[in-house]
Amino acid sequence: GENVEQHPSTLSVQEGDSAVIKCTYSDSASNYFPWYKQELGKRPQLIIDIRSNVGEKKDQRIAVTLNKTAKHFSLHITETQPEDSAVYFCAASRPSGGYQKVTFGIGTKLQVIP
Amino acid sequence: KAGVTQTPRYLIKTRGQQVTLSCSPISGHRSVSWYQQTPGQGLQFLFEYFSETQRNKGNFPGRFSGRQFSNSRSEMNVSTLELGDSALYLCASSLHRLAGVNTGELFFGEGSRLTVL
Repeated sequence: GENVEQHPSTLSVQEGDSAVIKCTYSDSASNYFPWYKQELGKRPQLIIDIRSNVGEKKDQRIAVTLNKTAKHFSLHITETQPEDSAVYFCAASRPSGGYQKVTFGIGTKLQVIP
Repeated sequence: KAGVTQTPRYLIKTRGQQVTLSCSPISGHRSVSWYQQTPGQGLQFLFEYFSETQRNKGNFPGRFSGRQFSNSRSEMNVSTLELGDSALYLCASSLHRLAGVNTGELFFGEGSRLTVL
């Protein structure tokens, strides 16, 4: 089955600095890579995603890059703000039994220090 | 539009008991999946249901089971509870998740926090 490794597990940055979270996946059939943000005590929510036919996608201060050859993808947050503090989960989605099966990484706890 | 609703939000059980958790998806969503969240283990996939049929299953023992009803509401059951089953159980619904057709954003509920003593 698919295995998604995510690192670092914790990350502290000063407000205004950039943060990068990296993930690798094992199954080359994975074709969709979403990122979810979970604020303390709240539900995970999708913040950005990328399909396997795209190398990079940006949405304001957030960007995701994908290297299919190396089987890794990364989340980049620029000009970090205190409200970016949360746990971030990467995921890899692949076809399985006619449906898409999602495997999540272990999560990265990001702390933005004011 | 109402979000995903999970009940109960909190519950305490003792070892050996069984528990049933409920999930009501967003109206119109036919896919419901379940995840176990524990510190250090992230979100671990339990199973997914679509049109009342289990479509995918994670690597959990047979003590973990689920079902989906005709109105897309889903329940999961854990029998013979163990201390290690203490976790936040998250349910997520999506519109449709056919392979290669739609990626299917997951909409999560707030979870049911289970404590096993």
